Amino acid sequence: DTGVSQNPRHKITKRGQNVTFRCDPISEHNRLYWYRQTLGQGPEFLTYFQNEAQLEKSRLLSDRFSAERPKGSFSTLEIQRTEQGDSAMYLCASSLGARGGTDTQYFGPGTRLTVL
Amino acid sequence: AQTVTQSQPEMSVQEAETVTLSCTYDTSESDYYLFWYKQPPSRQMILVIRQEAYKQQNATENRFSVNFQKAAKSFSLKISDSQLGDAAMYFCAYLIYNTDKLIFGTGTRLQVFP
Repeated sequence: DTGVSQNPRHKITKRGQNVTFRCDPISEHNRLYWYRQTLGQGPEFLTYFQNEAQLEKSRLLSDRFSAERPKGSFSTLEIQRTEQGDSAMYLCASSLGARGGTDTQYFGPGTRLTVL
Repeated sequence: AQTVTQSQPEMSVQEAETVTLSCTYDTSESDYYLFWYKQPPSRQMILVIRQEAYKQQNATENRFSVNFQKAAKSFSLKISDSQLGDAAMYFCAYLIYNTDKLIFGTGTRLQVFP
Protein backbone atom coordinates (compact mmCIF):
# COMPACT_ATOMS: atom_id res chain seq x y z
CA ASP A 1 0.00 0.00 0.00
CA THR A 2 1.59 3.29 -1.07
CA GLY A 3 -0.88 5.65 0.59
CA VAL A 4 -0.30 8.01 3.49
CA SER A 5 0.37 6.09 6.69
CA GLN A 6 0.15 7.26 10.29
CA ASN A 7 1.35 5.71 13.50
CA PRO A 8 0.13 4.95 16.01
CA ARG A 9 -3.52 4.62 15.04
CA HIS A 10 -4.65 5.10 18.61
CA LYS A 11 -2.97 6.70 21.60
CA ILE A 12 -4.27 6.95 25.12
CA THR A 13 -2.31 9.11 27.50
CA LYS A 14 -2.64 10.82 30.84
CA ARG A 15 -2.93 14.56 31.15
CA GLY A 16 0.48 16.18 31.34
CA GLN A 17 2.31 13.53 29.32
CA ASN A 18 4.04 14.14 26.00
CA VAL A 19 3.00 12.30 22.85
CA THR A 20 4.47 12.03 19.37
CA PHE A 21 2.75 10.97 16.18
CA ARG A 22 4.35 10.00 12.91
CA CYS A 23 3.17 10.49 9.34
CA ASP A 24 4.69 8.91 6.25
CA PRO A 25 3.46 10.66 3.10
CA ILE A 26 3.13 9.19 -0.35
CA SER A 27 6.61 8.96 -1.79
CA GLU A 28 7.53 11.84 -4.14
CA HIS A 29 4.94 14.10 -2.46
CA ASN A 30 6.60 17.37 -1.48
CA ARG A 31 3.79 18.80 0.63
CA LEU A 32 2.70 17.40 3.96
CA TYR A 33 -0.20 18.72 6.03
CA TRP A 34 -1.49 18.19 9.56
CA TYR A 35 -5.15 18.62 10.47
CA ARG A 36 -7.07 18.07 13.69
CA GLN A 37 -10.59 16.71 13.77
CA THR A 38 -12.71 16.80 16.91
CA LEU A 39 -15.92 14.84 17.33
CA GLY A 40 -18.72 16.15 15.13
CA GLN A 41 -16.51 18.64 13.33
CA GLY A 42 -14.65 18.81 10.08
CA PRO A 43 -10.86 18.74 10.04
CA GLU A 44 -9.08 21.97 10.96
CA PHE A 45 -5.77 22.95 9.44
CA LEU A 46 -2.78 22.93 11.81
CA THR A 47 0.36 23.28 9.73
CA TYR A 48 2.04 22.23 6.52
CA PHE A 49 5.47 21.60 5.04
CA GLN A 50 7.00 22.06 1.64
CA ASN A 51 9.80 19.49 1.76
CA GLU A 52 11.48 20.14 5.12
CA ALA A 53 10.34 23.76 5.46
CA GLN A 54 7.35 24.51 7.67
CA LEU A 55 5.48 27.17 5.72
CA GLU A 56 2.43 27.95 7.83
CA LYS A 57 1.15 27.32 11.33
CA SER A 58 -2.40 27.81 12.48
CA ARG A 59 -3.21 29.75 15.63
CA LEU A 60 -4.65 26.44 16.84
CA LEU A 61 -1.09 25.21 17.16
CA SER A 62 -0.13 26.42 20.63
CA ASP A 63 3.41 26.45 22.00
CA ARG A 64 2.86 22.92 23.27
CA PHE A 65 2.64 21.65 19.70
CA SER A 66 5.63 21.18 17.46
CA ALA A 67 5.91 19.56 14.06
CA GLU A 68 8.99 18.57 12.12
CA ARG A 69 9.86 17.09 8.78
CA PRO A 70 13.64 16.85 9.08
CA LYS A 71 14.54 15.19 5.80
CA GLY A 72 11.53 16.19 3.76
CA SER A 73 10.06 12.73 4.01
CA PHE A 74 8.17 11.63 7.15
CA SER A 75 6.88 14.11 9.69
CA THR A 76 6.31 14.04 13.42
CA LEU A 77 3.81 15.99 15.48
CA GLU A 78 4.60 16.30 19.17
CA ILE A 79 2.25 17.53 21.85
CA GLN A 80 3.84 18.41 25.18
CA ARG A 81 1.99 18.49 28.49
CA THR A 82 -1.19 17.12 26.95
CA GLU A 83 -4.56 18.48 28.05
CA GLN A 84 -7.98 16.88 27.80
CA GLY A 85 -8.86 19.40 25.10
CA ASP A 86 -6.17 17.86 22.91
CA SER A 87 -8.28 14.72 22.52
CA ALA A 88 -9.03 14.47 18.81
CA MET A 89 -8.19 12.69 15.59
CA TYR A 90 -4.96 14.00 14.08
CA LEU A 91 -4.95 13.66 10.31
CA CYS A 92 -2.00 13.86 8.00
CA ALA A 93 -2.25 14.52 4.27
CA SER A 94 0.24 14.87 1.45
CA SER A 95 0.24 16.29 -2.05
CA LEU A 96 2.62 16.63 -4.95
CA GLY A 97 3.15 20.30 -4.29
CA ALA A 98 1.73 22.15 -7.27
CA ARG A 99 1.07 25.76 -6.38
CA GLY A 100 -2.41 27.09 -5.91
CA GLY A 101 -4.14 23.94 -4.77
CA THR A 102 -4.21 22.33 -8.18
CA ASP A 103 -3.16 19.01 -6.73
CA THR A 104 -5.17 16.79 -4.46
CA GLN A 105 -4.44 16.27 -0.79
CA TYR A 106 -4.44 12.57 0.09
CA PHE A 107 -5.26 11.77 3.68
CA GLY A 108 -3.98 9.12 6.02
CA PRO A 109 -6.16 7.10 8.41
CA GLY A 110 -5.40 9.40 11.34
CA THR A 111 -4.18 8.98 14.89
CA ARG A 112 -6.88 9.11 17.53
CA LEU A 113 -5.62 10.70 20.73
CA THR A 114 -7.46 10.30 24.00
CA VAL A 115 -6.19 12.30 26.98
CA LEU A 116 -7.46 11.03 30.32
CA ALA B 1 -14.20 34.99 8.09
CA GLN B 2 -13.96 32.16 5.64
CA THR B 3 -16.53 29.50 6.45
CA VAL B 4 -18.17 26.44 4.98
CA THR B 5 -21.70 25.54 6.03
CA GLN B 6 -23.31 22.16 5.66
CA SER B 7 -26.85 22.58 6.96
CA GLN B 8 -27.80 18.89 6.84
CA PRO B 9 -26.19 16.96 9.73
CA GLU B 10 -27.75 13.72 8.47
CA MET B 11 -29.33 12.50 5.27
CA SER B 12 -30.68 9.14 4.22
CA VAL B 13 -31.39 7.60 0.85
CA GLN B 14 -32.62 4.30 -0.46
CA GLU B 15 -30.32 2.20 -2.56
CA ALA B 16 -30.46 3.14 -6.27
CA GLU B 17 -32.08 6.49 -5.50
CA THR B 18 -30.60 9.97 -5.84
CA VAL B 19 -29.63 12.25 -2.98
CA THR B 20 -28.30 15.82 -2.87
CA LEU B 21 -26.07 17.16 -0.12
CA SER B 22 -25.93 20.92 0.27
CA CYS B 23 -23.00 23.21 0.99
CA THR B 24 -22.59 26.96 1.11
CA TYR B 25 -19.41 28.89 1.68
CA ASP B 26 -18.36 32.41 2.39
CA THR B 27 -15.31 34.02 0.85
CA SER B 28 -14.37 37.30 -0.73
CA GLU B 29 -11.73 35.65 -2.89
CA SER B 30 -12.25 35.04 -6.59
CA ASP B 31 -9.77 32.21 -7.16
CA TYR B 32 -10.49 29.10 -5.19
CA TYR B 33 -11.24 25.41 -5.45
CA LEU B 34 -14.10 23.42 -4.00
CA PHE B 35 -14.06 19.80 -2.91
CA TRP B 36 -16.25 17.05 -1.59
CA TYR B 37 -14.50 14.49 0.57
CA LYS B 38 -15.94 11.21 1.80
CA GLN B 39 -14.97 9.78 5.19
CA PRO B 40 -16.20 6.18 5.63
CA PRO B 41 -16.39 4.61 9.08
CA SER B 42 -12.73 3.53 8.73
CA ARG B 43 -11.99 7.31 8.90
CA GLN B 44 -9.70 7.67 5.88
CA MET B 45 -10.74 10.77 3.94
CA ILE B 46 -11.17 10.21 0.20
CA LEU B 47 -11.61 12.88 -2.46
CA VAL B 48 -14.94 12.47 -4.25
CA ILE B 49 -14.94 15.42 -6.61
CA ARG B 50 -13.38 18.86 -7.11
CA GLN B 51 -14.41 22.03 -8.87
CA GLU B 52 -12.33 25.00 -9.94
CA ALA B 53 -14.19 28.24 -9.26
CA TYR B 54 -13.22 29.72 -12.63
CA LYS B 55 -14.91 26.87 -14.48
CA GLN B 56 -18.58 27.35 -15.23
CA GLN B 57 -19.15 23.72 -16.13
CA ASN B 58 -20.18 21.54 -13.22
CA ALA B 59 -17.78 18.72 -12.40
CA THR B 60 -18.88 15.10 -12.68
CA GLU B 61 -17.25 11.86 -11.58
CA ASN B 62 -19.28 8.81 -12.54
CA ARG B 63 -22.31 8.80 -10.21
CA PHE B 64 -21.22 12.00 -8.46
CA SER B 65 -21.91 15.46 -9.79
CA VAL B 66 -21.99 18.96 -8.37
CA ASN B 67 -24.22 21.97 -8.81
CA PHE B 68 -21.89 24.95 -8.50
CA GLN B 69 -23.60 28.33 -8.18
CA LYS B 70 -20.78 30.84 -7.79
CA ALA B 71 -22.93 33.93 -7.26
CA ALA B 72 -24.91 32.15 -4.57
CA LYS B 73 -21.74 30.57 -3.13
CA SER B 74 -23.40 27.19 -3.24
CA PHE B 75 -21.79 23.85 -4.02
CA SER B 76 -24.10 20.85 -3.71
CA LEU B 77 -23.23 17.22 -4.34
CA LYS B 78 -25.60 14.89 -6.13
CA ILE B 79 -25.16 11.15 -5.78
CA SER B 80 -27.06 9.14 -8.35
CA ASP B 81 -27.88 5.44 -8.14
CA SER B 82 -26.85 5.38 -4.47
CA GLN B 83 -25.00 2.30 -3.26
CA LEU B 84 -24.53 0.87 0.22
CA GLY B 85 -20.85 1.75 -0.02
CA ASP B 86 -21.74 5.44 -0.32
CA ALA B 87 -22.66 5.50 3.36
CA ALA B 88 -20.18 7.84 5.04
CA MET B 89 -19.59 11.34 6.33
CA TYR B 90 -19.33 13.81 3.49
CA PHE B 91 -17.34 16.99 3.94
CA CYS B 92 -17.47 20.02 1.73
CA ALA B 93 -14.23 22.01 1.64
CA TYR B 94 -12.62 24.84 -0.19
CA LEU B 95 -9.11 26.03 -0.78
CA ILE B 96 -8.17 29.55 -1.75
CA TYR B 97 -5.62 29.79 -4.52
CA ASN B 98 -2.07 29.99 -3.14
CA THR B 99 -3.03 29.25 0.47
CA ASP B 100 -2.68 25.45 0.38
CA LYS B 101 -4.99 24.77 3.32
CA LEU B 102 -8.40 23.19 3.11
CA ILE B 103 -11.32 24.76 5.00
CA PHE B 104 -13.89 22.12 5.86
CA GLY B 105 -17.55 22.18 6.78
CA THR B 106 -18.97 20.18 9.68
CA GLY B 107 -20.05 17.30 7.49
CA THR B 108 -23.22 15.45 6.51
CA ARG B 109 -23.70 11.85 7.57
CA LEU B 110 -25.26 9.88 4.72
CA GLN B 111 -27.08 6.64 5.42
CA VAL B 112 -28.02 4.33 2.58
CA PHE B 113 -30.85 1.85 3.12
CA PRO B 114 -31.31 -1.30 1.08
